[in-house]
Amino acid sequence: AQSVAQPEDQVNVAEGNPLTVKCTYSVSGNPYLFWYVQYPNRGLQFLLKYITGDNLVKGSYGFEAEFNKSQTSFHLKKPSALVSDSALYFCAVRDNQMNRDDKIIFGKGTRLHILP
Amino acid sequence: GAVVSQHPSWVICKSGTSVKIECRSLDFQATTMFWYRQFPKQSLMLMATSNEGSKATYEQGVEKDKFLINHASLTLSTLTVTSAHPEDSSFYICSAREVSVIPDSGANVLTFGAGSRLTVL
Repeated sequence: AQSVAQPEDQVNVAEGNPLTVKCTYSVSGNPYLFWYVQYPNRGLQFLLKYITGDNLVKGSYGFEAEFNKSQTSFHLKKPSALVSDSALYFCAVRDNQMNRDDKIIFGKGTRLHILP
Repeated sequence: GAVVSQHPSWVICKSGTSVKIECRSLDFQATTMFWYRQFPKQSLMLMATSNEGSKATYEQGVEKDKFLINHASLTLSTLTVTSAHPEDSSFYICSAREVSVIPDSGANVLTFGAGSRLTVL
């Protein structure tokens, strides 16, 4: 069964500093990996995805994530944090070999606080 | 880009009544929609997968008679919380995946509605 782990409930970063939100996954085949962001009382917004190809994926709002197959990780990063980046971030995975069951499984979320 | 409209955004109801939440894909067709439930400071819990023209697939532990899902068209799925009780109070979010534009639809991004906050008194 596929699963996603976000080991940190909360990450605090000073504005202007680099940020990392961690994600590890487990699938039986090869993964499709996603990052989403949620602002208060809102649905989720897509940030970026890894399907195949370059391990470094660039997404919206200056975010990027690096797929590391050996470590089964897909950490979200940004070189310089903004206060407006404060939100709840979800990592998600789908096994690309599951033809009939195309569920995407979400991690529990990491709350990112950017301190002014 | 793809937009999913979810209605109502907020609903307050009395215990024992039923509440319907609509999820519409506005500018694309979605053969598959997903319904999630989110508790405060918690992750998304997938409740069910809604497939156009067929019965929904419910996750383990989700009462299908309690949470009725209908996906009557390629742009609309509804979730009805029947005989709601205070423990059903939660934030419900739907998402939709566009009819596959690449061979493997699993790689297509999910588009989420803004969510519906249900409060049962």
